[in-house]
Amino acid sequence: NAGVTQTPKFQVLKTGQSMTLQCAQDMNHNSMYWYRQDPGMGLRLIYYSASEGTTDKGEVPNGYNVSRLNKREFSLRLESAAPSQTSVYFCASSVQGGTQYFGPGTRLTVL
Amino acid sequence: AQKVTQAQTEISVVEKEDVTLDCVYETRDTTYYLFWYKQPPSGELVFLIRRNSFDEQNEISGRYSWNFQKSTSSFNFTITASQVVDSAVYFCALSEWNGANSKLTFGKGITLSVRP
Repeated sequence: NAGVTQTPKFQVLKTGQSMTLQCAQDMNHNSMYWYRQDPGMGLRLIYYSASEGTTDKGEVPNGYNVSRLNKREFSLRLESAAPSQTSVYFCASSVQGGTQYFGPGTRLTVL
Repeated sequence: AQKVTQAQTEISVVEKEDVTLDCVYETRDTTYYLFWYKQPPSGELVFLIRRNSFDEQNEISGRYSWNFQKSTSSFNFTITASQVVDSAVYFCALSEWNGANSKLTFGKGITLSVRP
């Protein structure tokens, strides 16, 4: 039982490049989330998926897109990376209304 | 809109001291949940506790205890006899439950350093 897994662990991009962060969970959770963590800012919600087939914007969605591929997988895409998107990205999952469990994070640097 | 304030940004204590991490929240909902997460230097987020708005009983788990007071909108976390392994960033978070999802609003975190 791996819980929540994220790939890659580290990534360096140049401004304007695109990439997709992958997240998968094996806990049979309905809901999945993407957060970003910046120094001194705590974690802020980018997008979430309350259940398979639905996605909604969080607090800071600009510059990102998401896909809930199936119940297990929820990906985050940066279409044209900007230095302001340098951050640590966390994926989480939960049963509806339940405690969120987090993946190990992806450290992204945009040059 | 919901808000979580962790006014303390950094705390440094010597091992075996007790330390309290403060958390104040704002919400207009009557049904909500409060959480504490720990982020050790390795970077992962570790769930510590979840408390619903209808349960104001204090909770103790080993050296950890939590004090929830709705009258002051606070959910404080105390570590008794701190240890070096307690060194981490601690986040308080609030979730409103609307029957469909439970988005978390985090405080900015408190960096706790425990010196030997």
